[in-house]
Order: sequence, then C-alpha cells, then structure tokens
Amino acid sequence: DGGITQSPKYLFRKEGQNVTLSCEQNLNHDAMYWYRQDPGQGLRLIYYSQIVNDFQKGDIAEGYSVSREKKESFPLTVTSAQKNPTAFYLCASSIMGRVEAFFGQGTRLTVV
Amino acid sequence: EDQVTQSPEALRLQEGESSSLNCSYTVSGLRGLFWYRQDPGKGPEFLFTLYSAGEEKEKERLKATLTKKESFLHITAPKPEDSATYLCAVGGANNLFFGTGTRLTVIP
Repeated sequence: DGGITQSPKYLFRKEGQNVTLSCEQNLNHDAMYWYRQDPGQGLRLIYYSQIVNDFQKGDIAEGYSVSREKKESFPLTVTSAQKNPTAFYLCASSIMGRVEAFFGQGTRLTVV
Repeated sequence: EDQVTQSPEALRLQEGESSSLNCSYTVSGLRGLFWYRQDPGKGPEFLFTLYSAGEEKEKERLKATLTKKESFLHITAPKPEDSATYLCAVGGANNLFFGTGTRLTVIP
C-alpha cells in the first residue's frame, strides 16, 4: 500500500539532546513537508523540500534541521536549540506543482 | 498576510442533526481550499479540494462548498463515527496554511 510512514510514533527526549524523526513515502511524490501541531493552533510549517538535495525553511524553522538525500525520505532533526520541542510532528508529501498534501500518522515528541 | 479562520471551535450535535462548519480565508494567489479530517493522535486525512467559487464536492454525509471568501463543510444526518476535528487549509505558493479546526462531537 502506498503511503507515508513516520517513526517512531512516540519519542521522549531529555533536554539538551538532539533527536531525529523519520519520514518515508512510497507515493513517488516530489515534495515533502514537516509541520508542527500544538493544541489550539493550526499546523505550522517547519521545512519543505520540492526536490532531492534542496529544501526551504518554513515559518518556524529555528531549532530544526532537515536533509533530503533521497526522494523517499525527509528526516527532521530537533536540535537542542529548539526551546519548546514538545509537540505533535506531521510529515506530508505532494505531487510536484500541487499543494494538496497527504499526511503520515505523526510522531509525538515529549521532552522530559 | 495569509489567514484562515474556522468556526465554531467546537460543535456538539445529536445523531441525525445536520449542521455546517465555516472556514473563512484571506490569501494572495489561492491554490485551492482543502478540507481534512483528523482523529485524536492521528495525522489529517484528506477529504476535499475546491478550486473555484461555486464548486461543490460530496462524500457520504459531507458536502463542501466554496465562495470567494469562505468555505462550508455541511454535515447531513451525522453519525457518532463522524466525530473528529475538521481542518481547513488554503493553498499558498508552496504549501498549505491551516486553520485551528472545528472539533465535532456527535452524540448517539
């Protein structure tokens, strides 16, 4: 079945540690996105990538980093510089030239 | 600045009681109006895309409509399984701008 797989589903991080969230898609989509969701707020864009080896900052990129070495994969690293990392992280993908996005099931990150 | 506002924030309906959710927007260069359904702890599930004023889309008990300034998601004779948060988003140049959602609860 085609889809977007995010792992892990739950992730716990100690303060000061970097963590990497995985996102893999087998939809053959060119564009991939990372959003953050907090209670009472709309999804906010962290980073997006339209082609391999290229990515752009979204509205809240500070404290995050990404890579796009393969079309299928778009991992997100939450660094220790991110001051409030506890949130629900969503990965999405879309066909080139369209913004209609399809989402994975999310990773809930908690800082302990 | 691109903006999406959804109302109401929460809605409780009796099973079979039809209603509508609203999504008003301001965006430069609209590239579609999107509706998603999100269950607790899950990723958003795509429902509809609308591109031009006057367009309508239907799926089971849901019907989405679009004007130049807002969209409505009409729910006809809802069932408890329709309980979820419904998200509205507008397409910008490179990504989607989301509203905060309407949390729908359908009581048996």
